[in-house]
Amino acid sequence: AQSVAQPEDQVNVAEGNPLTVKCTYSVSGNPYLFWYVQYPNRGLQFLLKYITGDNLVKGSYGFEAEFNKSQTSFHLKKPSALVSDSALYFCAVRDRNNFNKFYFGSGTKLNVKP
Amino acid sequence: EPEVTQTPSHQVTQMGQEVILRCVPISNHLYFYWYRQILGQKVEFLVSFYNNEISEKSEIFDDQFSVERPDGSNFTLKIRSTKLEDSAMYFCASSDRVPPSDTQYFGPGTRLTVL
Repeated sequence: AQSVAQPEDQVNVAEGNPLTVKCTYSVSGNPYLFWYVQYPNRGLQFLLKYITGDNLVKGSYGFEAEFNKSQTSFHLKKPSALVSDSALYFCAVRDRNNFNKFYFGSGTKLNVKP
Repeated sequence: EPEVTQTPSHQVTQMGQEVILRCVPISNHLYFYWYRQILGQKVEFLVSFYNNEISEKSEIFDDQFSVERPDGSNFTLKIRSTKLEDSAMYFCASSDRVPPSDTQYFGPGTRLTVL
């Protein structure tokens, strides 16, 4: 069964420090991987996606993520966190056999402290 | 930048009543989706819609639910007889390309509260 795991409910980081939000997945075949961010009372905003090609994907607002097939991971990273990055982050996956559905992780709340 | 819009932002209804949640997808998009997020839980897929018909639906999307694209711009989700457990945030999404490599753009959501 397809699934996405975000092992941390919450990540705390100081402004200016690097941040990592973890995501691992389980799908049949090659996955399509996405990161979305949700600010309070807002919808999901697309950050970046991995479809094929370079394992390091760069997205909006300085975020990037690295697809690691052997570890089935797609961790979200940013070299220098901003207070305004504080939000809820969702990893999502689709597989080639059931592409109409997104499978979302449970979300990780990122707190960036000044 | 074009956005998906949803109305209303908050809907309160009595159990057993019908509700219609409205979405205006991005204008050149062809694929449409509804998701829901019960408070504190994961975002869950409900249904996908393309070419005026349902492409796929989840086990959540039972006979109480229906979707429609009544004109060239709106995409609606109807819940015929609401239950308490239907209380959730409902998100509409749209994309302009064939799945699965497309990017889905989400609206801000409608918070449905069933009393």
